[in-house]
Amino acid sequence: DGGITQSPKYLFRKEGQNVTLSCEQNLNHDAMYWYRQDPGQGLRLIYYSQIVNDFQKGDIAEGYSVSREKKESFPLTVTSAQKNPTAFYLCASSISSGMNTEAFFGQGTRLTVV
Amino acid sequence: DAKTTQPNSMESNEEEPVHLPCNHSTISGTDYIHWYRQLPSQGPEYVIHGLTSNVNNRMASLAIAEDRKSSTLILHRATLRDAAVYYCILNTGNQFYFGTGTSLTVIP
Repeated sequence: DGGITQSPKYLFRKEGQNVTLSCEQNLNHDAMYWYRQDPGQGLRLIYYSQIVNDFQKGDIAEGYSVSREKKESFPLTVTSAQKNPTAFYLCASSISSGMNTEAFFGQGTRLTVV
Repeated sequence: DAKTTQPNSMESNEEEPVHLPCNHSTISGTDYIHWYRQLPSQGPEYVIHGLTSNVNNRMASLAIAEDRKSSTLILHRATLRDAAVYYCILNTGNQFYFGTGTSLTVIP
C-alpha cells in the first residue's frame, strides 16, 4: 500500500539530547513537509523540501534540522537548541509543491521531553 | 502570510447538512483553497480543494465566493464519523498555511 509512514509513534527524550524523527513515503512525491502541532492549535510549518537535496525553512525552523538525501525520506532532527520540543510532529508529502495538489499526512510522532 | 479565519466550534445534528465557513480576505489570485480534517492524535486527511469554481467530490462540496475572500465546506449529511477538526487552508505553492480550524460536533 502506498503511503507516508512516521516512526516512532511516541518518543521520549531527555533534556539536552538530540532526537531524530523518521518520515518515509512510497508515493513517489517530490515535495515533503514537517509540521509541529501544539495542543488546541493548528499546524505550524518547520521545514519543507521541494526536491531531493534541497530544503527551506518554514515559520518555526529554529532548533530543528532536516536532510533530504533520498526522494522517499525526510528525517527531522530536534536539537537541544529547541527550547520547547514537546509537541505532536506531522510529516506530509505532495506530488509537487504546486498549489493544485493535495498533501498526504503521516500519523504523527508525539515527542515528550522528560 | 496567507491567513484563514474559522469559527472555533460548530454543532450539527446527525443526517443534517453542515456548512463550515472560512474567511480568507488576503487570498492572492493564484492561491488554492484546501480543506482538511483531523481526528484526535491522527494526521490531517484531505477533504477537497478548489480555485474559483465550486467543487464536488464524494466527501463534500466546496462553495467559493465570487470575490474568493470566503468559502464554505458543505457536508451534505453529517454522520458521527464526520466529527473532527476541519481546517481551511490556503496553498501558496510552497506550503500549506493551517489556521486553528473548526471543531465539529455531530449530535446523534
